[in-house]
Amino acid sequence: DQQVKQNSPSLSVQEGRISILNCDYTNSMFDYFLWYKKYPAEGPTFLISISSIKDKNEDGRFTVFLNKSAKHLSLHIVPSQPGDSAVYFCAASGYSGGGADGLTFGKGTHLIIQP
Amino acid sequence: GAVVSQHPSRVICKSGTSVKIECRSLDFQATTMFWYRQFPKQSLMLMATSNEGSKATYEQGVEKDKFLINHASLTLSTLTVTSAHPEDSSFYICSASERETQYFGPGTRLLVL
Repeated sequence: DQQVKQNSPSLSVQEGRISILNCDYTNSMFDYFLWYKKYPAEGPTFLISISSIKDKNEDGRFTVFLNKSAKHLSLHIVPSQPGDSAVYFCAASGYSGGGADGLTFGKGTHLIIQP
Repeated sequence: GAVVSQHPSRVICKSGTSVKIECRSLDFQATTMFWYRQFPKQSLMLMATSNEGSKATYEQGVEKDKFLINHASLTLSTLTVTSAHPEDSSFYICSASERETQYFGPGTRLLVL
């Protein structure tokens, strides 16, 4: 029973364009969401997070949008760069901040930025 | 961001032996650390929550006697895979919390022959 779903295993985007990665969740107890970037055989690198009291958080080229009623969040990367090619994981926590609670991860979306 | 290290990065061992993996928070103190496991083409799955000075909390289906966790200080947690078997071969990753965010180590690739 996947509580965090990333339905697109892969996504191909042209360099300079916007990349939109989607994530859906089923557990209404989740109240903190994070996006991580991961290369093969490496640990995930934190990108950006959002609390359930917000609907948008922006950090440089990365923006995360949260639609609580739809239990959906998305990560926007603009403009997309070749170095953005990696697997992106959506993660959720049932404790605000995830500081004391383990994360539930989606299966990841492999983003490929084409020159 | 905060830095978390893991050692070793890769280990190959014989079936029946025990393997210890260390996780350290290098520039911050972490009351809570977490251990995850990732099988090929799968998501990261939480194994256990490691609390400094107290017993670890294990997720359902994770054998606490097989995966021993020790969180001896605010910067170090260890995971020992006891009597390892080939099915324990996986990518083990730890994380440590600094305020709202979990920061991950680089992972340890375990191969049990």
